[in-house]
Amino acid sequence: GAGVSQSPRYKVAKRGQDVALRCDPISGHVSLFWYQQALGQGPEFLTYFQNEAQLDKSGLPSDRFFAERPEGSVSTLKIQRTQQEDSAVYLCASSFRHDATYEQYFGPGTRLTVT
Amino acid sequence: RKEVEQDPGPFNVPEGATVAFNCTYSNSASQSFFWYRQDCRKEPKLLMSVYSSGNEDGRFTAQLNRASQYISLLIRDSKLSDSATYLCVVINAGNNRKLIWGLGTSLAVNP
Repeated sequence: GAGVSQSPRYKVAKRGQDVALRCDPISGHVSLFWYQQALGQGPEFLTYFQNEAQLDKSGLPSDRFFAERPEGSVSTLKIQRTQQEDSAVYLCASSFRHDATYEQYFGPGTRLTVT
Repeated sequence: RKEVEQDPGPFNVPEGATVAFNCTYSNSASQSFFWYRQDCRKEPKLLMSVYSSGNEDGRFTAQLNRASQYISLLIRDSKLSDSATYLCVVINAGNNRKLIWGLGTSLAVNP
């Protein structure tokens, strides 16, 4: 069956470039989460959407990070003026529940390398 | 100090061994607990939720000790396919939309 998909799978950006990462959640899932996972670390929460509403963006590390989910389905995470410390795997997850207390289904991630 | 702490390992064990991981959390208001498994260069997948009374799923047993604020995962009769990173995850009562992750414990099961 269709799971969470993310694109691109790999992205190399020069420092200062803008990037856009896409997430297609499981159809019908209400909740969508973005995480950042640095090498050797656990995922770090970035932001949460309930349908099209961004209810929590407390984990976004700076105002260079912006996420949207305009129609309550596909989501895009945009990073402006990328820096080397932005290099990480960006994971998207979705869930049918309105919170994080049930299983989240993760996409394969986008591995971003900023040179 | 991180809110969720795990020994990163690696744990190297022979097939058939029993291995246990612990995880400590600092927020006494933590209300939900999980173990996720992550294979190398793959996404995390839920292994099991952790209930107050403890729970078992086949060879895997999870326990919660609220008084001491730690969670454990026991793997019996370990298989080569159990080799992965095991991530401890909590949710705090103040924000049930946010998973807080440990950095994971690496397990290698050897033939």
